[in-house]
Amino acid sequence: LAKTTQPISMDSYEGQEVNITCSHNNIATNDYITWYQQFPSQGPRFIIQGYKTKVTNEVASLFIPADRKSSTLSLPRVSLSDTAVYYCLVGDYNNAGNMLTFGGGTRLMVKP
Amino acid sequence: EAGVTQFPSHSVIEKGQTVTLRCDPISGHDNLYWYRRVMGKEIKFLLHFVKESKQDESGMPNNRFLAERTGGTYSTLKVQPAELEDSGVYFCASSPRLAGEVEQYFGPGTRLTVT
Repeated sequence: LAKTTQPISMDSYEGQEVNITCSHNNIATNDYITWYQQFPSQGPRFIIQGYKTKVTNEVASLFIPADRKSSTLSLPRVSLSDTAVYYCLVGDYNNAGNMLTFGGGTRLMVKP
Repeated sequence: EAGVTQFPSHSVIEKGQTVTLRCDPISGHDNLYWYRRVMGKEIKFLLHFVKESKQDESGMPNNRFLAERTGGTYSTLKVQPAELEDSGVYFCASSPRLAGEVEQYFGPGTRLTVT
């Protein structure tokens, strides 16, 4: 499974757009990129998944360049409630039994 | 629809004792996973059930850990005997399909403290 590298922490202010970049230089052809969010005392929560180019849903966008060696999670107009840890995961879930491999995550702090 | 539930939310036991954690997945979800985060470390996969069968138990740390899912509904994870290094948060997750279903629904976790 491809190893991921992401910043340990980030600070932002309410209303700003936040971009969290994850590096995955060894991503394999069949790997997908998935982001989870975790609040204190809760389990991780799925945010978004993509394979290439751009994916957008009601909470975030995921940008993946052509070489797929990195990806950027974009959170538009963050609020205090977006303060959480964000995990970037890479894997071929079809062949790996859907086992998720978590890294250290990025701790996002949104300030008023 | 109820989410994944775990019981207890917190357990404090002494070294050498036995603890059983329970996970109730979302109704209809065939896939059930156990993960854990020990102190200061990353969330790690323990095992994966498809219905009542163990699909992958490569993450189980040793034979002190026993997971069951009789009837393919709820699952239990027993630690016997517990050691200090077993302290951490144990998460359960479920998902409805195997291939291509990436989204796993996590429970709130059980915080285990071994003293």
